[in-house]
Amino acid sequence: DTEVTQTPKHLVMGMTNKKSLKCEQHMGHRAMYWYKQKAKKPPELMFVYSYEKLSINESVPSRFSPECPNSSLLNLHLHALQPEDSALYLCASSQESLRRSSGSRYEQFFGPGTRLTVL
Amino acid sequence: SQQGEEDPQALSIQEGENATMNCSYKTSINNLQWYRQNSGRGLVHLILIRSNEREKHSGRLRVTLDTSKKSSSLLITASRAADTASYFCATSTGGGNKLTFGTGTQLKVEL
Repeated sequence: DTEVTQTPKHLVMGMTNKKSLKCEQHMGHRAMYWYKQKAKKPPELMFVYSYEKLSINESVPSRFSPECPNSSLLNLHLHALQPEDSALYLCASSQESLRRSSGSRYEQFFGPGTRLTVL
Repeated sequence: SQQGEEDPQALSIQEGENATMNCSYKTSINNLQWYRQNSGRGLVHLILIRSNEREKHSGRLRVTLDTSKKSSSLLITASRAADTASYFCATSTGGGNKLTFGTGTQLKVEL
């Protein structure tokens, strides 16, 4: 199974709502990622989890709260979002480098994304 | 800030022609990867070239890397309508699993 799944596909929420995005992979990957992508722009890294621990937070506002309950699941909890947070949210996974200093040595597998609209 | 700048921003060709996209980056890299994204969907990995490699092939894809010029190119030969997509280069620098994506090239292959 080389698939990364994301739910929901589409999400519309108000600025006072609390919602969660979910991501799942069963490839045994120990690195998982959240990206944000605006229209006609490249993906921007938000968070990286390595062995279920948060290893990179790209100065993301606290209204975005990631969670990695186990090695297969990655959540992104959303609270008090702004309309400018509307975007495509992509989850990805990859093998984890044994040597951290070697950088990202492996391809990343992406899910289809969640299209988020904040009203 | 974005690591890679790609050109052209958009490219329109006829089916059967070759398509070349270029990527320039700013700092030393461990490797450079190319991804394809069909409209509004997830990205698909195409090819990875390490910093000590100069050229790599995969099917109709040919990637070159010139670390002295901090640039890479992706050549798609004998293009097909199904190749219509956005193409991004992504660079890996330093430690950790961070990938930084370039600005992307929108390729349209017309019948």
